[in-house]
Amino acid sequence: QSALTQPASVSGSPGQSITVSCTGTSSDVGSYNLVSWYQQHPHKAPKLMIYEGSKRPSGVSNRFSGSKSGNTASLTISGLQAEDEADYYCCSYANTDTWVFGGGTKLTVL
Amino acid sequence: QVQLVQSGAEVKKPGASVKVSCKASGYTFTGYYLHWVRQAPGQGLEWMGRISPNSGGTKYAQKFQGRVTMTRDTSISTAYMELNRLRSDDTVVYFCARGDSYYFDSWGQGTLVTVSS
Repeated sequence: QSALTQPASVSGSPGQSITVSCTGTSSDVGSYNLVSWYQQHPHKAPKLMIYEGSKRPSGVSNRFSGSKSGNTASLTISGLQAEDEADYYCCSYANTDTWVFGGGTKLTVL
Repeated sequence: QVQLVQSGAEVKKPGASVKVSCKASGYTFTGYYLHWVRQAPGQGLEWMGRISPNSGGTKYAQKFQGRVTMTRDTSISTAYMELNRLRSDDTVVYFCARGDSYYFDSWGQGTLVTVSS
């Protein structure tokens, strides 16, 4: 199972919006609406931000949203804040009871 | 509240084995899968496999088949991940994570395993 493809880095200024893409195949992202997104600050454990493509867990800001089109899922962060600076990972359920992560995207808030 | 507390850092020699534990609290241990995810220094996350604490059934990523064993002890709500024949590229942080349906909603703090001669 190959890793999902994410851009290595994205950046934006406070208040702006950014989108992180996550491209897979018809065996994972394209087959299921089961993409989740995780935020990871340095030396910390990942934190769930989006699940099942577009759902937010309790306590996650509504500035975070998710979507999917074909084999590509996207995470959008609106109204960028300094504390959003982190690494973001997508993850998809793949066939035969396995999961696959993306390579991660470093978000810099300028 | 849900908590996953992992065992401490380990230093191992190449060829040795390591067993990392993950103690769960704040929920019914047998009600959720427990996944193991690892992360090399400065690198991305990699799914290793999962165990059903209820049945003990496991599913491993192909990359780790034959080298990893995931077990659990329901009496103490603890899951274990043992990796054999350690190599230098197994020097990573290992995380356990609770699986709620098809996503990971709670994570352990991570365990650094260093493989060095």
